[in-house]
Amino acid sequence: NAGVMQNPRHLVRRRGQEARLRCSPVKGHSHVYWYRQLPEEGLKFMVYLQKENIIDESGMPKERFSAEFPKEGPSILRIQQVVRGDSAAYFCASSPGTARGYEQYFGPGTRLTVT
Amino acid sequence: SQQGEEDPQALSIQEGENATMNCSYKTSINNLQWYRQNSGRGLVHLILIRSNEREKHSGRLRVTLDTSKKSSSLLITASRAADTASYFCAFGGNTPLVFGKGTRLSVIA
Repeated sequence: NAGVMQNPRHLVRRRGQEARLRCSPVKGHSHVYWYRQLPEEGLKFMVYLQKENIIDESGMPKERFSAEFPKEGPSILRIQQVVRGDSAAYFCASSPGTARGYEQYFGPGTRLTVT
Repeated sequence: SQQGEEDPQALSIQEGENATMNCSYKTSINNLQWYRQNSGRGLVHLILIRSNEREKHSGRLRVTLDTSKKSSSLLITASRAADTASYFCAFGGNTPLVFGKGTRLSVIA
């Protein structure tokens, strides 16, 4: 049983470039969550998606950030025109149901470094 | 802020001792979960306790939940060096999980 897969594991981008982070949930899970973690901090919720729908994007910056979870393929977190402050670890999690009653399975994360 | 708060922020103990970490929160919850994160890695789910439960066990882990005080504790008994990690509480209510800043546990052999 494959867990949550994220790629790439490490990503280096120059300021102004675009970053694309991919997440493949556990097989059969239709709920995906993206979190950001700064050094020495806990995880901050960014966005919650169900297949083809954004359920809650209250934690995602309004500009430059977008997320999708298409019918086929992985979920994508896209950061346009990256800035140094975007450097962080980005974690994806999936669950079989809503966040209320289910544990979330986390991927290994993508560490984004903006130079 | 809805963010949970763990206490202490850091804890250092000898192998074999018990480690207790606490978590407080402010909103009503459906469940509270504890996760472990080894340095540079993803999070591993440890245990979920529902709001109508008061105590739950899993191996060397014991979690308590006091909804009247809006607090939870995680007890790791007979700690091992491999337990060294950061431990986060996260609670689910009407929104996706909200994580605290974590407790960094160091178990010294």
